[in-house]
Amino acid sequence: GAGVSQSPSNKVTEKGKDVELRCDPISGHTALYWYRQRLGQGLEFLIYFQGNSAPDKSGLPSDRFSAERTGESVSTLTIQRTQQEDSAVYLCASSLRMNQPQHFGDGTRLSIL
Amino acid sequence: AQSVTQLGSHVSVSEGALVLLRCNYSSSVPPYLFWYVQYPNQGLQLLLKYTSAATLVKGINGFEAEFKKSETSFHLTKPSAHMSDAAEYFCAVSDSGGGADGLTFGKGTHLIIQP
Repeated sequence: GAGVSQSPSNKVTEKGKDVELRCDPISGHTALYWYRQRLGQGLEFLIYFQGNSAPDKSGLPSDRFSAERTGESVSTLTIQRTQQEDSAVYLCASSLRMNQPQHFGDGTRLSIL
Repeated sequence: AQSVTQLGSHVSVSEGALVLLRCNYSSSVPPYLFWYVQYPNQGLQLLLKYTSAATLVKGINGFEAEFKKSETSFHLTKPSAHMSDAAEYFCAVSDSGGGADGLTFGKGTHLIIQP
């Protein structure tokens, strides 16, 4: 597709379950970013990939969060043992390369019961 | 370290009136500044960006923003509001053009257009 694609668009799960969020960046974009948008709060930067490398993982909220990227394509954000505080919209963005404008997907709305 | 403050979580203007959305930033180096718009049930869309080429930046949909270093501001304006402008607007800053450190966003301003 022409834009950044995220799946699922909505996810409802029980506390304690693991979830996996997927991001398909724009073809040819080498940089990929994950953000979190909690209700009533601003966007929070989580992690970025240059190719399949994530040099800095310090933005991830806890060790329950992990992210991977296959080459310069799909990325997955995994949350283990979900907690209610993980409820948020998770946004993915990609850019042609570093220091270029980011293009955002529509996000995955995650609700933890 | 950088931060962004958007004054007013909600701004209401009449259709045809001037739109002014305020953004102040802090950055330890000359910043890259961005405005994004999020329409209901959609992802973020880039409105415009400042990268030091010109202080007045024109974006899509008739929006523009002026970088004022002395005021550390990057306010977004549009001369005449349209009903379709109703959305959430985010100001963002980066020290590296949005690369290695991602973007730091403000909390957003919800723009309401009154008929």
